[in-house]
Amino acid sequence: QVQLQQSGAELVKPGTSVKLSCKASGYTFTSNHMNWIKQTTGQGLEWIGIINPGSGGTSYNVKFKGKATLTVDKSSSTAFMQLSSLTPEDSAVYYCARVDDYVMDAWGQGASVTVSS
Amino acid sequence: QITLTQQAESLWVSPGEKVSITCRASQSLLYTDGKHYLSWYQQRPGQTTKALIYHASIRTDGVPTRFIGSGSGTEFTLSIEDVQPEDIALYYCLQTLKKPWTFGGGTKLELK
Repeated sequence: QVQLQQSGAELVKPGTSVKLSCKASGYTFTSNHMNWIKQTTGQGLEWIGIINPGSGGTSYNVKFKGKATLTVDKSSSTAFMQLSSLTPEDSAVYYCARVDDYVMDAWGQGASVTVSS
Repeated sequence: QITLTQQAESLWVSPGEKVSITCRASQSLLYTDGKHYLSWYQQRPGQTTKALIYHASIRTDGVPTRFIGSGSGTEFTLSIEDVQPEDIALYYCLQTLKKPWTFGGGTKLELK
């Protein structure tokens, strides 16, 4: 079955970067786009962007341009999201989710990022 | 961007009852292909987020028939008939008609 296994929780300092991973299994990695989503208590769910694993093409929510960078490694069926210049406002749970026919039909378990000095 | 409003932050329900969760969009989610680009998701603690409904009314594989999606244009509803204890969760709507894709604020279903 389709599974998305995300990397673990991160505690990072302000001003630094963090790279989250999302390893896909159970399907052909390049057949479906991959999304990333941010969840906070205050802002709910926010769509960060989407990547086409086959071409590497990306589309970002303007709000996250310059903050998030989406990449993939086709050889390991893994999607990555790097978050840069971290501030406490970036503290959240981040999800990867596969897209099929414009529905996010499989989600990772989420990765908690805490930005604190 | 398209704003999705889920009016109710919380709804209280008893097992066996029917409940409806609404989602209002700031513009029509109907595309020229005749489909509405609105989907519904369930978040339960300790579980991965689950897609329930897509294109407003189509259940995803394995979703029980008590979950019913309806609506058109800008008004959409997720109804749960004969609520079960395992349906106690957070529910979100999502529009994928125009980027940035946007979510509703969420509705928490709680037991009376």
